[in-house]
Amino acid sequence: SQQGEEDPQALSIQEGENATMNCSYKTSINNLQWYRQNSGRGLVHLILIRSNEREKHSGRLRVTLDTSKKSSSLLITASRAADTASYFCAIYTGANSKLTFGKGITLSVRP
Amino acid sequence: NAGVTQTPKFRVLKTGQSMTLLCAQDMNHEYMYWYRQDPGMGLRLIHYSVGEGTTAKGEVPDGYNVSRLKKQNFLLGLESAAPSQTSVYFCASRLGWRGRAGTEAFFGQGTRLTVV
Repeated sequence: SQQGEEDPQALSIQEGENATMNCSYKTSINNLQWYRQNSGRGLVHLILIRSNEREKHSGRLRVTLDTSKKSSSLLITASRAADTASYFCAIYTGANSKLTFGKGITLSVRP
Repeated sequence: NAGVTQTPKFRVLKTGQSMTLLCAQDMNHEYMYWYRQDPGMGLRLIHYSVGEGTTAKGEVPDGYNVSRLKKQNFLLGLESAAPSQTSVYFCASRLGWRGRAGTEAFFGQGTRLTVV
């Protein structure tokens, strides 16, 4: 079964607004990663947060990790139409080296 | 730098036919993964490899076989294709453990396979 579950499944916002996406998981992790997929393309890595980190920033991206709740959130600030894509969280469990993905969140940013 | 290259990009198979999807990476990565992506299902892990000569099962391995004879190549085989294997297949690679808690994965552009 897939380890990560994103929420919501779809999100539609106006350009300039912030977008918040959540991911919950079930097992112990080494790290959690967020990826982006434009329509018809491969996934592109956005940000990685390790299990001993609580928050990380990269440009307009902010990711948090709460290992006690087994959850993570990705915040995209000041969204742009070009941020329209699908976003996936991925769980890396070091014990078996698996990298498993959730079902993804479809983000639409209206100009 | 080509990164991760998948061939072919598109393929139509008849039920019962066999084929091999090739994934090649030029980044000297140790770990390689095969996923399938279906509408509403996200990415599901088929098989993966933690190094040359090794393979392991993922979440949905049935109907697929893999081989990693060379470090840079990871092959996914369908021995007898079924319509249920119609999907988009993605390969990914990542650097192995280097004293840090993991590294990001790099993806190919995908192979769109239709089984009729």
